[in-house]
Amino acid sequence: RKEVEQDPGPFNVPEGATVAFNCTYSNSASQSFFWYRQDCRKEPKLLMSVYSSGNEDGRFTAQLNRASQYISLLIRDSKLSDSATYLCVVNFGNEKLTFGTGTRLTIIP
Amino acid sequence: DVKVTQSSRYLVKRTGEKVFLECVQDMDHENMFWYRQDPGLGLRLIYFSYDVKMKEKGDIPEGYSVSREKKERFSLILESASTNQTSMYLCASNGIPFNSPLHFGNGTRLTVT
Repeated sequence: RKEVEQDPGPFNVPEGATVAFNCTYSNSASQSFFWYRQDCRKEPKLLMSVYSSGNEDGRFTAQLNRASQYISLLIRDSKLSDSATYLCVVNFGNEKLTFGTGTRLTIIP
Repeated sequence: DVKVTQSSRYLVKRTGEKVFLECVQDMDHENMFWYRQDPGLGLRLIYFSYDVKMKEKGDIPEGYSVSREKKERFSLILESASTNQTSMYLCASNGIPFNSPLHFGNGTRLTVT
């Protein structure tokens, strides 16, 4: 089983819709969680950290469910510019961050 | 703004060549990382370094080595390039602690023929 698993998609969503995707992780001792965004042929960039209490940044909401070992990302009122691959990233309490393979999202006009 | 610069955007090398990939960061970050990214496999950690002259193996270190002689520079070395090392290579850095956000360079697309 992969340490960090994501549905690769693609998710094809009409503009203005709400979309959500999850990421599961294998280690219950995991300490830190993040969502990164990667545009086509570009480097990954931090989208948001995921806190135990959940957090919101504009149209984006991230949540953590420790009991079921998953994190989620919700995007409301989706824009064309939201089209990207979203990478789930987990720190298992060691020196490195482990990346999921990413979920590809395409927003359709 | 943090800048992580990789020396080459595209590189084509022959099997058996020794290849150097250079990475420089300008934010005095302690930690530097080398990843490779392949379709369906995501980003996989090759090596990382938390201080000058220190290095640690990541998940897939075989066939690679690294060098960190100065804090701002982290080099990835392919001792004898092979076709299965054709990939996108991404350098990243962050400060303390280890789980602080990573800042990536824009990648080097290496093709080994």
